[in-house]
Amino acid sequence: ETGVTQTPRHLVMGMTNKKSLKCEQHLGHNAMYWYKQSAKKPLELMFVYNFKEQTENNSVPSRFSPECPNSSHLFLHLHTLQPEDSALYLCASSQVDRGLAGAPNEQFFGPGTRLTVL
Amino acid sequence: SQQGEEDPQALSIQEGENATMNCSYKTSINNLQWYRQNSGRGLVHLILIRSNEREKHSGRLRVTLDTSKKSSSLLITASRAADTASYFCARMGGSQGNLIFGKGTKLSVKP
Repeated sequence: ETGVTQTPRHLVMGMTNKKSLKCEQHLGHNAMYWYKQSAKKPLELMFVYNFKEQTENNSVPSRFSPECPNSSHLFLHLHTLQPEDSALYLCASSQVDRGLAGAPNEQFFGPGTRLTVL
Repeated sequence: SQQGEEDPQALSIQEGENATMNCSYKTSINNLQWYRQNSGRGLVHLILIRSNEREKHSGRLRVTLDTSKKSSSLLITASRAADTASYFCARMGGSQGNLIFGKGTKLSVKP
């Protein structure tokens, strides 16, 4: 148990469906992240929220829409996905020190959601 | 590429042997981190080494950092079958707190 939970653990959806992935952290951290991990590709950072504000969007298609209602919860809303979006989606959290710009701390990962788009 | 590069991409050893994985990077760092991932699961943080440190130990893990060569290595001593996993190095990327991960080394420890 890392203190970061993700639901659902597995999701199969059609290209016209709308679904949401949920992440919750119980660590009191102030930053949360969405990553995508496809077969044979490096872990890709998708979105970053620091202090509930989105600070990074790595050219992610608009069919992925993040939402961070508070510092403990992070959602990824999915709409009109493509088969190539099938992947393991990982959520992570960390404590970001405002005073140490650029010094990354340890990130705690959830178990991931295995997404299959048909 | 901004991403770090681990080598080898895959490593297969017998239980009891040592496993060494390397990571190279291109830009300056505040720290470098190593993570482990069991198949299809989330990543688990193993160790963080700061740019002013040269070596760090944690149990059977030993990490070295050579900032002049922009490289780090992870050594797992007396490996066990349970060490079978993928291992990633990660360094600062872009904005505050963000990490960029390498492609990973897939370690297989045979009993």
